[in-house]
Amino acid sequence: DAKTTQPTSMDCAEGRAANLPCNHSTISGNEYVYWYRQIHSQGPQYIIHGLKNNETNEMASLIITEDRKSSTLILPHATLRDTAVYYCIVRGYNNNDMRFGAGTRLTVKP
Amino acid sequence: KAGVTQTPRYLIKTRGQQVTLSCSPISGHRSVSWYQQTPGQGLQFLFEYFSETQRNKGNFPGRFSGRQFSNSRSEMNVSTLELGDSALYLCASGLAGSQETQYFGPGTRLLVL
Repeated sequence: DAKTTQPTSMDCAEGRAANLPCNHSTISGNEYVYWYRQIHSQGPQYIIHGLKNNETNEMASLIITEDRKSSTLILPHATLRDTAVYYCIVRGYNNNDMRFGAGTRLTVKP
Repeated sequence: KAGVTQTPRYLIKTRGQQVTLSCSPISGHRSVSWYQQTPGQGLQFLFEYFSETQRNKGNFPGRFSGRQFSNSRSEMNVSTLELGDSALYLCASGLAGSQETQYFGPGTRLLVL
């Protein structure tokens, strides 16, 4: 079973920041938070991951709370092409068995 | 660098048949994982191979099997196909360590009639 809880769907206006929350209250100390997205049943695309520090790359920022029980993925300037299902995954240190939940369906509107 | 490739991209089979799907990982990647995605169950982990050995296995029946070759390419086989095996089959590859980021291929869409 997935160890994360995400809202089923969210809308965002084009050009605005999209903030996608994820709860992972049972996360262990050596487990990472990963984010992937999936567009139109293509293969999931890796976005970003982190352990406890905030992370940023060319696609997004990941903000992890100090207690690590939740995190937020931020797409700073959402475009129509960011419409996708976004998955938040908690992944063990020695485990490539990624447990995907239902994800959040993000719709970016003009 | 080329991404993960999967062949074939689409496949139609009938119940009782068997099917073999292929996955070529990103060059240099030695870990290959397989997932099944269906509308009802979502993305579910099948198994992972590393250095030609199965390192991890999900909760699927023995009809689902896989293998990895010395060049890290992997195949998965499903025998005695059932209607419920219709799904998008995805593979993901990663570097050696189990904490390396995994990158997914485009998937093989299997339809069982």
